[in-house]
Amino acid sequence: DAKTTQPPSMDCAEGRAANLPCNHSTISGNEYVYWYRQIHSQGPQYIIHGLKNNETNEMASLIITEDRKSSTLILPHATLRDTAVYYCIVPVRLNQAGTALIFGKGTTLSVSS
Amino acid sequence: KAGVTQTPRYLIKTRGQQVTLSCSPISGHRSVSWYQQTPGQGLQFLFEYFSETQRNKGNFPGRFSGRQFSNSRSEMNVSTLELGDSALYLCASSLWGTSNYGYTFGSGTRLTVV
Repeated sequence: DAKTTQPPSMDCAEGRAANLPCNHSTISGNEYVYWYRQIHSQGPQYIIHGLKNNETNEMASLIITEDRKSSTLILPHATLRDTAVYYCIVPVRLNQAGTALIFGKGTTLSVSS
Repeated sequence: KAGVTQTPRYLIKTRGQQVTLSCSPISGHRSVSWYQQTPGQGLQFLFEYFSETQRNKGNFPGRFSGRQFSNSRSEMNVSTLELGDSALYLCASSLWGTSNYGYTFGSGTRLTVV
């Protein structure tokens, strides 16, 4: 099962910041948080990932709380093309050999003009 | 650099047939994971291969199998197709497939079983 919980849907006005929350209360000390998004019928696209410090790249910022139990993905100026399903993922250790990205249902972000 | 390439993009098969899908990872990546996406179940993990060995497996029946070649290219096979196997099949490649390395997804193969 996925180790994260996200709201099923969010709305955002074009040009405004979109703040997508994620809860990962069972995360352990060396586990990263990944964010992906999927635009209809395409493969998921990597956005950003982080361990404990806040991260920023050309697409988004990731804010991780000090206790690491939750995080927020920020799209600073949302556009219509940002309408997608956003997945927050903590890789799951299935066996001794490694981890896997287990997807939950994600958050459907709808950006409107 | 080239991304993850999946072939074919679309496929139509009949119930009872078998199908083989191909995934070429990013050059240098050694881990390939496969996922099934359906409207009802979302994105579900099938299995992961690393250095030609299956390292992780999701909760799918034995009809779903895969393999990885020495050049890291991977194939997945579904035997005795059922209508419920209609889905988008995605593969993702990663350098090492561990939690501190990113995964890059292909565009997927859309399989329709009739």
